Amino acid sequence: DTGVSQNPRHKITKRGQNVTFRCDPISEHNRLYWYRQTLGQGPEFLTYFQNEAQLEKSRLLSDRFSAERPKGSFSTLEIQRTEQGDSAMYLCASSSIQGYGGYTFGSGTRLTVV
Amino acid sequence: AQSVTQLDSQVPVFEEAPVELRCNYSSSVSVYLFWYVQYPNQGLQLLLKYLSGSTLVKGINGFEAEFNKSQTSFHLRKPSVHISDTAEYFCAVSDRSSNYKLTFGKGTLLTVNP
Repeated sequence: DTGVSQNPRHKITKRGQNVTFRCDPISEHNRLYWYRQTLGQGPEFLTYFQNEAQLEKSRLLSDRFSAERPKGSFSTLEIQRTEQGDSAMYLCASSSIQGYGGYTFGSGTRLTVV
Repeated sequence: AQSVTQLDSQVPVFEEAPVELRCNYSSSVSVYLFWYVQYPNQGLQLLLKYLSGSTLVKGINGFEAEFNKSQTSFHLRKPSVHISDTAEYFCAVSDRSSNYKLTFGKGTLLTVNP
């Protein structure tokens, strides 16, 4: 078990470009979560999957954001037409199906939009 | 809806001194409570959690927290801190009504000075 893996660790992109992040959860975890963290703030919930089903999306997740978990294993988060306000740390976490025991987080992907 | 308030954004202390990081929550149902630590440019690591049972919870790195239902608090304590404890600490809450999604506070930056 290598924990939750996120790639890339850092991404610098020009405004208007599309970016995609990948998350590989702990293999036996059914749930996968995406959070966003801006400077000086706690993580904010974006969306989560149970197996391949996306069960909830936050209002923070605008139409430019899309997440997938096609085979119930890894997940991708895509941001289209990036804006400077998208600059943040994007955190992925996974948990057992109940989730109440807490999550295991990855190291995050830091996005900088210039 | 659940929420978390971390009462101090920054806590400076000297090495080997005791420390308490304060956390209050609001929720209409039974809650599960967590403390996570985040080192610079890293993801979040679980320090400890309260699910049920004893209200005094012990975690990693010598930290402990006490669940106080009447005061809706879950303060984190350590009797003697080290330089290596310098990090951001996040309190989080989840409950059944939120389908066990974690809601985080804004964090407390603990700085341990020599």
